[in-house]
Amino acid sequence: ETGVTQSPTHLIKTRGQQVTLRCSSQSGHNTVSWYQQALGQGPQFIFQYYREEENGRGNFPPRFSGLQFPNYSSELNVNALELDDSALYLCASSLFGRLTDTQYFGPGTRLTVL
Amino acid sequence: ELKVEQNPLFLSMQEGKNYTIYCNYSTTSDRLYWYRQDPGKSLESLFVLLSNGAVKQEGRLMASLDTKARLSTLHITAAVHDLSATYFCAVTAQETSGSRLTFGEGTQLTVNP
Repeated sequence: ETGVTQSPTHLIKTRGQQVTLRCSSQSGHNTVSWYQQALGQGPQFIFQYYREEENGRGNFPPRFSGLQFPNYSSELNVNALELDDSALYLCASSLFGRLTDTQYFGPGTRLTVL
Repeated sequence: ELKVEQNPLFLSMQEGKNYTIYCNYSTTSDRLYWYRQDPGKSLESLFVLLSNGAVKQEGRLMASLDTKARLSTLHITAAVHDLSATYFCAVTAQETSGSRLTFGEGTQLTVNP
């Protein structure tokens, strides 16, 4: 069974640039959720994708957008980067509709905005 | 808005001692999760609790859920250094679609020899 993978591991960008982060879900899972974790804080929900459509969104501006592909992998895009976007971005996959619906997290992408 | 509070936020304890981490949440939830995070690493799933009175144990960790009090506890028995990590509780709100997790701030546990 393949776990959740993310790329890249680390990324450095400057303010105003755009970034794309990638996630491959765990084998057998059909749902991908994205979270932002600032240093010393708990993860904050950005959005979730199921059947290639957004299925819930947290309090993040529209410059945070995403995609899910037919193979259930996903991308997170952030436009017009701001300093406060510096964080660990975590992708989690799960099987929608299953009672426990445990989300399994990938290793994360550390984004630094200068 | 669903809020999750953990206490303590920082916990330093000696090996062999017992302690409890508390997790309170503000609205009705149908699932509660506990995760562990090592420094610079991702989140590892520990427990999922589904119903009132649920208790789960794995090694030196035991989690319980009281849905009426909106409270979960993570009890550590005879702590060892390997348990040093940050522990998060997270809940899903019944009124939201999908499985959006709302996390607490985390409890940073340090076990000293």
